[in-house]
Amino acid sequence: GAVVSQHPSWVICKSGTSVKIECRSLDFQATTMFWYRQFPKQSLMLMATSNEGSKATYEQGVEKDKFLINHASLTLSTLTVTSAHPEDSSFYICSARELLGGGGANVLTFGAGSRLTVL
Amino acid sequence: GDSVTQMEGPVTLSEEAFLTINCTYTATGYPSLFWYVQYPGEGLQLLLKATKADDKGSNKGFEATYRKETTSFHLEKGSVQVSDSAVYFCALSGQNTGNQFYFGTGTSLTVIP
Repeated sequence: GAVVSQHPSWVICKSGTSVKIECRSLDFQATTMFWYRQFPKQSLMLMATSNEGSKATYEQGVEKDKFLINHASLTLSTLTVTSAHPEDSSFYICSARELLGGGGANVLTFGAGSRLTVL
Repeated sequence: GDSVTQMEGPVTLSEEAFLTINCTYTATGYPSLFWYVQYPGEGLQLLLKATKADDKGSNKGFEATYRKETTSFHLEKGSVQVSDSAVYFCALSGQNTGNQFYFGTGTSLTVIP
């Protein structure tokens, strides 16, 4: 089945530094990837939709300059948290959409998530 | 707009108990419906799905039936195990949502021996 690899799984950084999280589709091409943020014991909050070869579409309230998204190839999207602060500490999850053949439903395949802790 | 309403948790059950997690949806058109599971410290995994009315999705002993008349997609399992402890998310997606996925708030399940 489809696999999405997310790296790193856990990162600790100092306040003011930037952190890059990678999301790769390992055995399929993903023209669209999604980035979510999840606070403890809460649901997923969609941050942005990453489209290969074009600018990401951000959800309302998400700072574009804080959360930089790049989708340079059909198998890789990156999220960079710039000038991270403690309030950016969270669990970030990416997903990629795989279109199933025969008119089947799109299925979202998720990465394992990246836990960011900003000191 | 399209949305998913999910039974609030947390839910605590004894091993071998029957599980139901309710999920209802609001949508124009005919979306596909999904249940995803998130084990502690991990990302989400697709548990099962149904693409049209009366379809039944099933996996690992879990089942859910797409009920158009009640706009529901309740998750059930006849006998839960400790290893089923996780957070369960109901979701929908379809052409009318621009193929975007909408998730419920998640229901935390804890199964005790």
